Amino acid sequence: QSALTQPPSASGSPGQSVTISCTGTSSDVGNYKYVSWYQQHPGKAPKLMIYEVTKRPSGVPDRFSGSKSGNRASLTVSGLQADDEADYYCCAYAGSNNVVFGGGTKLTVL
Amino acid sequence: QLPLQESGPGLLKPSETLSLTCTVSGGSIYTKTYYWGWIRQPPGKGLEWIGSIYYSGTSYYNPSLNSRITISLDMSKSQFSLKLSSVTAADTAVYYCARGFGYCSGSICTYNPPDFDYWGQGTLVSVSS
Repeated sequence: QSALTQPPSASGSPGQSVTISCTGTSSDVGNYKYVSWYQQHPGKAPKLMIYEVTKRPSGVPDRFSGSKSGNRASLTVSGLQADDEADYYCCAYAGSNNVVFGGGTKLTVL
Repeated sequence: QLPLQESGPGLLKPSETLSLTCTVSGGSIYTKTYYWGWIRQPPGKGLEWIGSIYYSGTSYYNPSLNSRITISLDMSKSQFSLKLSSVTAADTAVYYCARGFGYCSGSICTYNPPDFDYWGQGTLVSVSS
């Protein structure tokens, strides 16, 4: 199984919106509703930000939103804040009880 | 907050077997709504799913590691464990244990395979001769 494809970096100024893409195939992202997104600050464990493509766990600000079209999923962070600067990973169910992560995107708040 | 804590040796030699245990506090290991997973992250690199184990004891593994992995569940100790055999330098990573969740209606449960809502702090395992 191949990793999902994410851009290595993304950036935006405080208050702006930024969208991070996650491209898979018809065997993973395109075939199931199970796409999640994780935020990871340096030296910390990942934190679940989005699950089932669009759902937010309790406590995650509504500035974070997820979507999917075909084989591509996206995470949008609106109203960028300094603390949003982190690595973001998408993750998808790849069938046959397999799970695959994206390579990660480093989000910089300018 | 549900603490998960990884434990195990931090340094191994090539060809040895990596053994890690995750201790789950709070009692949720007895709940069939949840499943348990291992994820690793090589230094400076991305996340890699290793495998998951469910309430029933059924486990699923990353195909690229399948022949070397065993994940087991010990509810009496509120623990689940990872064994990875024949390690090489490529297995050097921070290893995380995590809790996944699903939905149960009566005896029927549906799980969300990529959704881990609680993570341990991670433990660095280095493989070096």
